[in-house]
Parts: sequence; structure tokens; C-alpha cells
Amino acid sequence: QVQLQESGPGLVKPSETLSLTCSVSGDSITSNHWWTWVRQAPGKGLEWIAGIYHNGTPLYNSSLKSRVALSADKSKNQFSLKLSSVTAADTALYYCVRMGFYWFDSWGQGTLVTVSS
Amino acid sequence: EIVLTQSPGTLSLSPGERATLSCRASQSISNIYLAWYQQKPGQTPRLLIFGTSSRATGISDRFSGSGSGTDFTLTISGLEPEDFAVYYCQQFSGSPYTFGQGTKLEIK
Repeated sequence: QVQLQESGPGLVKPSETLSLTCSVSGDSITSNHWWTWVRQAPGKGLEWIAGIYHNGTPLYNSSLKSRVALSADKSKNQFSLKLSSVTAADTALYYCVRMGFYWFDSWGQGTLVTVSS
Repeated sequence: EIVLTQSPGTLSLSPGERATLSCRASQSISNIYLAWYQQKPGQTPRLLIFGTSSRATGISDRFSGSGSGTDFTLTISGLEPEDFAVYYCQQFSGSPYTFGQGTKLEIK
């Protein structure tokens, strides 16, 4: 059974870069899936941020594209998210998620990132 | 961007009743691109339905999905106490892969 686990700082200062890593077990990030990031602001709904395909192809939410960078480390079976120039509006629970053909089937537990000075 | 509008925002029902949740898309999408999730307080979203009507592994047959074009429905028959949660629809027809704003199903 695939498991995903997010890690990274829980507090980021405004204007700085948020960096998160997702460690995957039970599946390989080189398998035929998209590996994605979703966030949920406190008390709010879900927002898809971006995804990276097993071949390294990225796909970004256009609303965040200018600030997002994705990468993958096959040797560690991890993929990562960087979100630059953060503001309080980026405070959220960040999930890493495996995407099946057209569904999100496996979610990490999520990590809360607060943007505050 | 495809906007998904869920209704109602909150649905108050009693255990044993039938829940009907709506998801309307701003443009027509193929059935294969519509999924539903359940999220309980403090928990991770869980995939319920993919491809409009296919239940995910381990999901009770009390959950069913239907619809086409721009109108999709999640139906929960014989509500159990554990079904009271927030439900989201999501589309994969085009990037960004948007979610609806959610329907909160609460105990009446």
C-alpha cells in the first residue's frame, strides 16, 4: 500500500520560499503516475497546486505557476515543492498526493505551513 | 478554468435518510474526469467515486455517482453516522484540476 509523508518547515516568513518534500513508500515515483501537491487553507476547500509526472514533466496551476517549482529525486523516491514569495494567503495544510488516471487516490497526512513573521 | 459549483452548501439530514449532493461544472466535461471525495474533520480527503460513477476500493455501495455534461450527483442512501462529513467534487478535464467548494453533510 502506497504511503506518502510530507516534511518541511512549519513556519515560513513572508516573501520567503516555502519548501516541502514528500517521501513515498510502497510505490516508485517512476511508476506511471502523477505526483501532486494540494493545499487547504484553514477552514477552506481544496486547491490543486501542481504535479510532476513519472518522467519529470511538470504541470502547474496557472494561478500559482510563476511561484512554483517542482522536482523529483528518484534515488530517494521523493518529490518536492517550492513556493516562492509567500504571503499569509499561502498559509495552509499542504498535502502530497498520488494521482491515478483521473483521480487522487493516495494522500499524505498533510503538513501545516504558516506564513508569519 | 473549469469552475465546479456544489449545492447545497450545507445539507442537514437524519441517519437513515438519503442524501443528494450536486456538482455543476461551468463547461461540459467527460464522465471519466469527475471524482468525489469525503473529508471528515481533522482527516485527509478520501476518494469515493471516480469516473462519475465508479466506486473506489472499499467504498460502500450506499455511495453512488451519476451525471453527465455539466451536472453530476453524489447520492448516499441510508445515511450512517460516519457519513456526516464534507464532500468535494473534482474535475480532471483540464488544468487546473479544480475542486468544488464542498458540501457539508450534517446531522439534523
